[in-house]
Amino acid sequence: EPEVTQTPSHQVTQMGQEVILRCVPISNHLYFYWYRQILGQKVEFLVSFYNNEISEKSEIFDDQFSVERPDGSNFTLKIRSTKLEDSAMYFCGLERQSNYGYTFGSGTRLTVV
Amino acid sequence: SQQGEEDPQALSIQEGENATMNCSYKTSINNLQWYRQNSGRGLVHLILIRSNEREKHSGRLRVTLDTSKKSSSLLITASRAADTASYFCATDASTGFQKLVFGTGTRLLVSP
Repeated sequence: EPEVTQTPSHQVTQMGQEVILRCVPISNHLYFYWYRQILGQKVEFLVSFYNNEISEKSEIFDDQFSVERPDGSNFTLKIRSTKLEDSAMYFCGLERQSNYGYTFGSGTRLTVV
Repeated sequence: SQQGEEDPQALSIQEGENATMNCSYKTSINNLQWYRQNSGRGLVHLILIRSNEREKHSGRLRVTLDTSKKSSSLLITASRAADTASYFCATDASTGFQKLVFGTGTRLLVSP
């Protein structure tokens, strides 16, 4: 069983629609991150989350994006009004301790049409 | 150029050969990590080397770090077809939380 599960694995959505990507860690983690990878490009940092608040976010993470841990377990990334350029693989990354390397989820492929 | 640039961009070898991938970066770092990604799949953490370490081994993997040259190398010995994947270095220069900056990756193809 994977340590980190991301759902859905693939989502196709219409431009302007809201999407919620979910990350479910199996065991306790302290630090949570979202990254994205546009097809053929680098993996890019979006946001880090610790102690139920955002600790850092990138320029990409604008007002259309939000993150939360609604029930203390799931870690979600919401895009309020998707744009074509939001099409990418989205990865959540988790750490139990700082500076020990991430465990990444298997990713959600988001396609905005 | 960008933080975390790998070379070569693509590498094609035969099974049993060694594969060496290099990564260069620009800023001071806390640690450098290598990840593997199979086509269209997730990122798998391979190894982390801290800024005060020079070499690290894990199975068939050997990573070196030269902070004076701001470079790292990943060596995969006795490669297998199953090693075919993209390999990324990622650097962390942040304090406290790890904000990784990924390189462009090396696509490795190992032919049987």
